[in-house]
Amino acid sequence: KAGVTQTPRYLIKTRGQQVTLSCSPISGHRSVSWYQQTPGQGLQFLFEYFSETQRNKGNFPGRFSGRQFSNSRSEMNVSTLELGDSALYLCASSLFSGTSVGELFFGEGSRLTVL
Amino acid sequence: AQRVTQPEKLLSVFKGAPVELKCNYSYSGSPELFWYVQYSRQRLQLLLRHISRESIKGFTADLNKGETSFHLKKPFAQEEDSAMYYCALQGGSEKLVFGKGTKLTVNP
Repeated sequence: KAGVTQTPRYLIKTRGQQVTLSCSPISGHRSVSWYQQTPGQGLQFLFEYFSETQRNKGNFPGRFSGRQFSNSRSEMNVSTLELGDSALYLCASSLFSGTSVGELFFGEGSRLTVL
Repeated sequence: AQRVTQPEKLLSVFKGAPVELKCNYSYSGSPELFWYVQYSRQRLQLLLRHISRESIKGFTADLNKGETSFHLKKPFAQEEDSAMYYCALQGGSEKLVFGKGTKLTVNP
């Protein structure tokens, strides 16, 4: 069974630009979560989607947005990039049970560098 | 609000020594707790979850509701245990929140 796939793996942008990251979950997984990972803050929750609906949202500004498609693939977008947005963005999928997200299966991440 | 605290950013032990990675949490209800591990150049992956009460790779973790802790323990550390360890909490149907992680180094 293929794992969680994230694209692109690496990207470099300049301040003010916008970026879209993509995540393909494990087949059959309908829950997708996004995290921002930085050395100082660890893993910070961005949002979680289940069946195309945002189920939970973290404490990030409105510049960070996401969506999920009917095939469970998910995208996240960051507009008006700032230097502080440089990070590894991790996507994880799971078999959401209705209450518990259960085990998260992570992708390798998309490393964003903002210059 | 859900909060997970891992007080040690770095932990270094010798091979064969016991190891304990601390995790304290803040949550008013009954949480679901997890330990995730990231080995060098590998993806973040689940190590264990408290509801399964399993021992994985010799690691165990006991939920102590009185002390609101979920410390990860192993009696005899191995070099291959060197990795980044994250404690995580989910309360009810809320988001899964991670601690900032502890980097464990097991020296030969």
